[in-house]
Amino acid sequence: QQPVQSPQAVILREGEDAVINCSSSKALYSVHWYRQKHGEAPVFLMILLKGGEQKGHEKISASFNEKKQQSSLYLTASQLSYSGTYFCGTGGGSNYKLTFGKGTLLTVNP
Amino acid sequence: KAGVTQTPRYLIKTRGQQVTLSCSPISGHRSVSWYQQTPGQGLQFLFEYFSETQRNKGNFPGRFSGRQFSNSRSEMNVSTLELGDSALYLCASSARGGDTEAFFGQGTRLTVV
Repeated sequence: QQPVQSPQAVILREGEDAVINCSSSKALYSVHWYRQKHGEAPVFLMILLKGGEQKGHEKISASFNEKKQQSSLYLTASQLSYSGTYFCGTGGGSNYKLTFGKGTLLTVNP
Repeated sequence: KAGVTQTPRYLIKTRGQQVTLSCSPISGHRSVSWYQQTPGQGLQFLFEYFSETQRNKGNFPGRFSGRQFSNSRSEMNVSTLELGDSALYLCASSARGGDTEAFFGQGTRLTVV
């Protein structure tokens, strides 16, 4: 079952904040977040695991509510480089099958 | 450290033909996943291989198949191409698959005419 992302698109001015949500109708054990810039490959942002563990490189914060089967990605003080399409993926773990949402297009303008 | 390499980058094929796409993962990575990306459907999982074994597959017809070699390189094959198979095919490599960071290649853009 494909996770549902919201909003589908958001436009910000530099310095503004944004929240991207990802929800699933199935129990979540982990949520993966990736960003894809136009014409480029998706790039790993973060993995959130059941139990609270997080793995990530960038200074991007996220939450994972296991009970609500939801995750949110928080982009604060946005920069032009944050522009791109953000995908959440669910189902990793021992399933080895990551199902991605349809993406959220984030545009940051000067 | 070399990234994930996919070849070819672009392909144009005719309906009914078959095609083979190649993916060389990052050295030391044993898991390779394949995805189909289209504007309407986003990233759709095709299959995942680890140490030459397919551990899971997505909801695609049997025309889509793949394999992985002992050096972790992977290929996917699409037979009897249809217009709807036109898409960007991405492969992602990771050390172990599952809940580990994946690195995507630039993809192969397949156009079926």
